[in-house]
Amino acid sequence: AQTVTQSQPEMSVQEAETVTLSCTYDTSENNYYLFWYKQPPSRQMILVIRQEAYKQQNATENRFSVNFQKAAKSFSLKISDSQLGDTAMYFCAFVSTSGSRLTFGEGTQLTVNP
Amino acid sequence: GAGVSQTPSNKVTEKGKYVELRCDPISGHTALYWYRQSLGQGPEFLIYFQGTGAADDSGLPNDRFFAVRPEGSVSTLKIQRTERGDSAVYLCASRSGGSSYEQYFGPGTRLTVT
Repeated sequence: AQTVTQSQPEMSVQEAETVTLSCTYDTSENNYYLFWYKQPPSRQMILVIRQEAYKQQNATENRFSVNFQKAAKSFSLKISDSQLGDTAMYFCAFVSTSGSRLTFGEGTQLTVNP
Repeated sequence: GAGVSQTPSNKVTEKGKYVELRCDPISGHTALYWYRQSLGQGPEFLIYFQGTGAADDSGLPNDRFFAVRPEGSVSTLKIQRTERGDSAVYLCASRSGGSSYEQYFGPGTRLTVT
């Protein structure tokens, strides 16, 4: 079974600054995908960024980038130039290519302060 | 095109009653998932459909929970003899299938059992 751990229940950052959210996971699988999802108060779970485990290059989507360390089973999310609209719950999630269900971490509540 | 839609947005029911929650996936998506999210936690997997059939229902907590997807599109999650512990947000997600592992979520149904 896979597990995903987010050790930071809450974080805050000033607008325009950079913040990093941590995620670790445990799996015996070799082929998998990792995701970061954002969930604002509206409850809508929004896909932020994805990383294929077979790719060494870290994924980047505009202001969002990841630091994927496969050997350490670590997958952190960096948000640059933080904006007020980034305030939300962020979830790290894992899916194996041999399965289909997403396994989520406990979430990190990020607050961007003006 | 339209995203995943879920109805109702909110449902309040009395303990012991029967409820149905509906999910309308993204058009053309063959895979459909139900998750349950308790307050302050990450979503937990309930059931996964590939087409019309339930490919994995191992996340359903007990036999009071049942889901169908008769025509391979809309899905209904059914809960019999509701209990207060069933109160949660029920999220639906769809995936296009094939080599894409990204799941796209609906806004969820908040179920409150009084």
